[in-house]
Amino acid sequence: GNSVTQMEGPVTLSEEAFLTINCTYTATGYPSLFWYVQYPGEGLQLLLKATKADDKGSNKGFEATYRKETTSFHLEKGSVQVSDSAVYFCALSDASGANSKLTFGKGITLSVRP
Amino acid sequence: KAGVTQTPRYLIKTRGQQVTLSCSPISGHRSVSWYQQTPGQGLQFLFEYFSETQRNKGNFPGRFSGRQFSNSRSEMNVSTLELGDSALYLCASSAPGRQGTQYFGPGTRLLVL
Repeated sequence: GNSVTQMEGPVTLSEEAFLTINCTYTATGYPSLFWYVQYPGEGLQLLLKATKADDKGSNKGFEATYRKETTSFHLEKGSVQVSDSAVYFCALSDASGANSKLTFGKGITLSVRP
Repeated sequence: KAGVTQTPRYLIKTRGQQVTLSCSPISGHRSVSWYQQTPGQGLQFLFEYFSETQRNKGNFPGRFSGRQFSNSRSEMNVSTLELGDSALYLCASSAPGRQGTQYFGPGTRLLVL
């Protein structure tokens, strides 16, 4: 079945540091890949997505590239802010497109200190 | 457009009771999915409804059930509550033809005592 593996956390960075959060996946076919973010006390918000190999998703300074050859979708940001402190989830969709099920990684908590 | 709404936001129940949670999707979205979020298991898919029919189901016992109404609103029910059912229950909706992109509500936090 499908699975998503995220690097172990938590991660603590200073403001303006470079961020990389690793995500690899196992899936049949060609799923779409997503990064969701969850702020304290809230639901999940879609951060970015990529629907096919070599696509780059980007939003709010975050980027991730769909790498089919390494089955990866690592999240990067050049300069993090305190407001980026949250839990980040990597996810993939059912490749068949027949349903909406998302498979999530375990999430990683990012803390950015001033 | 209004986002996905869930009611109630917080709920406290005791073991053995049952509970019903409600979700209203974004206008025009016909697919509604439910997820359970716990510190130990993370985010797990419960089920998905599309046009009032269950389209997909996760690996949860039969105590967990759901339904969808003609206006796309959805409810999930958990019967005979157990302590391990304490979790954040998230509802998500998606637009026709864009099933993978889901929009989440704020969740219902259920505490079972």
